[in-house]
Amino acid sequence: DAGVIQSPRHEVTEMGQEVTLRCKPISGHNSLFWYRQTMMRGLELLIYFNNNVPIDDSGMPEDRFSAKMPNASFSTLKIQPSEPRDSAVYFCASSFLPGLVYFNEQFFGPGTRLTVL
Amino acid sequence: SQQGEEDPQALSIQEGENATMNCSYKTSINNLQWYRQNSGRGLVHLILIRSNEREKHSGRLRVTLDTSKKSSSLLITASRAADTASYFCATDIPNSGGGADGLTFGKGTHLIIQP
Repeated sequence: DAGVIQSPRHEVTEMGQEVTLRCKPISGHNSLFWYRQTMMRGLELLIYFNNNVPIDDSGMPEDRFSAKMPNASFSTLKIQPSEPRDSAVYFCASSFLPGLVYFNEQFFGPGTRLTVL
Repeated sequence: SQQGEEDPQALSIQEGENATMNCSYKTSINNLQWYRQNSGRGLVHLILIRSNEREKHSGRLRVTLDTSKKSSSLLITASRAADTASYFCATDIPNSGGGADGLTFGKGTHLIIQP
């Protein structure tokens, strides 16, 4: 298996532009997580899906952020409009959860480094 | 503040020595996990220890969990230059509904192994 795939790996955009980050989870995994990592705040969970359904989006910072998972093999995280403070590394991770009682090991993608000028 | 906090924030040792990192947390957990992150890469899962376990081993890694003190330690024995990375603990916290709300990561310990 190729592991979790994220694209693009690097994104540089100007303030106000729309940014779309993409993720393909590991085949057979039923849960997908979006994280943001910055020096100041560390690694933060933004949202996670189980069986393509958003379960907890309390970490999404603002309405400018939205995430979708139209099927088991694809998810997007969109920022519209983007702001300089959104600059960070965004990670996607996937896992197989037999239920929502506890969390197993997560497999992380390589991340997307976003720079908003 | 963070649910899980690693200590120390940074650690530099000589190759061959043992490295110990600690993680403290605030509330009851289902399990605690340790991850490694090499510079510019995604996190890699190292080991998971459940709340009813006290110690686990995996190769040169040894993890302990003390739920009475709400703390865990990660020991890397006979360190190698390739162990240079950031190490994170992540806690799985049960919610009031009988489920869990996701992993909460600490800010990590940056480990440097001097050749």
